[in-house]
Amino acid sequence: SQTIHQWPATLVQPVGSPLSLECTVEGTSNPNLYWYRQAAGRGLQLLFYSVGIGQISSEVPQNLSASRPQDRQFILSSKKLLLSDSGFYLCAWTPGELSYNEQFFGPGTRLTVL
Amino acid sequence: GQNIDQPTEMTATEGAIVQINCTYQTSGFNGLFWYQQHAGEAPTFLSYNVLDGLEEKGRFSSFLSRSKGYSYLLLKELQMKDSASYLCAALDSNYQLIWGAGTKLIIKP
Repeated sequence: SQTIHQWPATLVQPVGSPLSLECTVEGTSNPNLYWYRQAAGRGLQLLFYSVGIGQISSEVPQNLSASRPQDRQFILSSKKLLLSDSGFYLCAWTPGELSYNEQFFGPGTRLTVL
Repeated sequence: GQNIDQPTEMTATEGAIVQINCTYQTSGFNGLFWYQQHAGEAPTFLSYNVLDGLEEKGRFSSFLSRSKGYSYLLLKELQMKDSASYLCAALDSNYQLIWGAGTKLIIKP
């Protein structure tokens, strides 16, 4: 069966510090991968998605970046965090060959920037 | 632009029935999803509709009208554990999900 992991679960970082969040998927090959951010009491904002290694599409211009160094690994980074980067970060995946499938979410990372 | 509208918050009584509405405007349409999200947790899939009509799955049902750009999620025999946010999301022509802000459902005994 497929599983998706995210770490860390919670993170408190000062403004201006770097960020690295990691997501890995097990039990599948060539998944579509997604990074979302959810502000408190709000819906999901798509940040990045990837259909393959090295292929990243950015949805929102900001100080975040994403990379996919391996087929089942997706990394969200920032060189300098802003207060507005606080939120709940969710990684999700869908089977690569089917577009209608539901998205499966990881447990999320709660980021607080102080 | 693309937009999903759903009520911010609803309150219902344990054992009752509640209907959560969602209207959508998207560039193309490839189906509508409902997800449940408990506080502090990731969303979990509830239903997917791409054709008009009602899909029933246990205590939960989901309805879609493509001509009206409208969907609803119906929850029957409400239980306290159903207290959560319910997210509506439409799949656009590029197979990207457009998410609503979610409806917080509060269940009272």
